[in-house]
Amino acid sequence: AQSVTQLGSHVSVSEGALVLLRCNYSSSVPPYLFWYVQYPNQGLQLLLKYTTGATLVKGINGFEAEFKKSETSFHLTKPSAHMSDAAEYFCAVRRGNQGGKLIFGQGTELSVKP
Amino acid sequence: DAGITQSPRYKITETGRQVTLMCHQTWSHSYMFWYRQDLGHGLRLIYYSAAADITDKGEVPDGYVVSRSKTENFPLTLESATRSQTSVYFCASSTQGDQPQHFGDGTRLSIL
Repeated sequence: AQSVTQLGSHVSVSEGALVLLRCNYSSSVPPYLFWYVQYPNQGLQLLLKYTTGATLVKGINGFEAEFKKSETSFHLTKPSAHMSDAAEYFCAVRRGNQGGKLIFGQGTELSVKP
Repeated sequence: DAGITQSPRYKITETGRQVTLMCHQTWSHSYMFWYRQDLGHGLRLIYYSAAADITDKGEVPDGYVVSRSKTENFPLTLESATRSQTSVYFCASSTQGDQPQHFGDGTRLSIL
C-alpha cells in the first residue's frame, strides 16, 4: 500500500532563508511523486514531479526536490524564500499502477517572515 | 478559456437536501477526480473516472454519487447532505495515469 507523510504541518522561515519541506513515502511499486502548492481560496498547482530518470527534479518558482530511494524521501527545497512562497504544500504519490489516483500527504503550511 | 471549472464556488444548504457540484474541463482529459479537503486530512479521493461512463470509488465514497455521460463533465451529487459533508471539494483531471492532475478552484460547501 502507498502512503505519504509530511513532517511538520507548519514551517516558518525568514525571507531569504532556505526552505525545506519534508516528505516521506511508502510504495510497493516504483513511485511517481508530486509536489503541489495551494494558495488561499485556490486549487492545487503542480510544482514538480518525479516519474523516472534524473533524481533531482526542478520545478517552477525556483523549487526543486530530490528523490532518494534509499531514504524513501522526496523533500522539497528552495534556496531563498520569498514572501510570495507563503502557501500550503502537498506531497503526493501515485497509488500503485491504478489509473492516476494520488495519495496526498496532510500538507505543510509555509509561512515567510519579512 | 481552456481549463477546469467548478460551480458553484460557494454553497450553503441544509441537512437532508440534495446538492450537485459541477465540474467541467475543456482539455478532453480522460481521467477526472473528485476530492474533499478537510483540516488534518489533506485531500481524500471520493470518486474518479477513467473515461466517459466509467467511474469508480475512492477512499471516501459513502453519501456521494457521480456520473460521467460526457468526457468533459463530472458532476458530484450529495443525495442527502449531512453536516459531516461540510468541506471544500476539488475536481481534477489528467490525461493519463502518470501525468499530473490539474485542479479546479474548488467549491466550499457548508451544510447547516
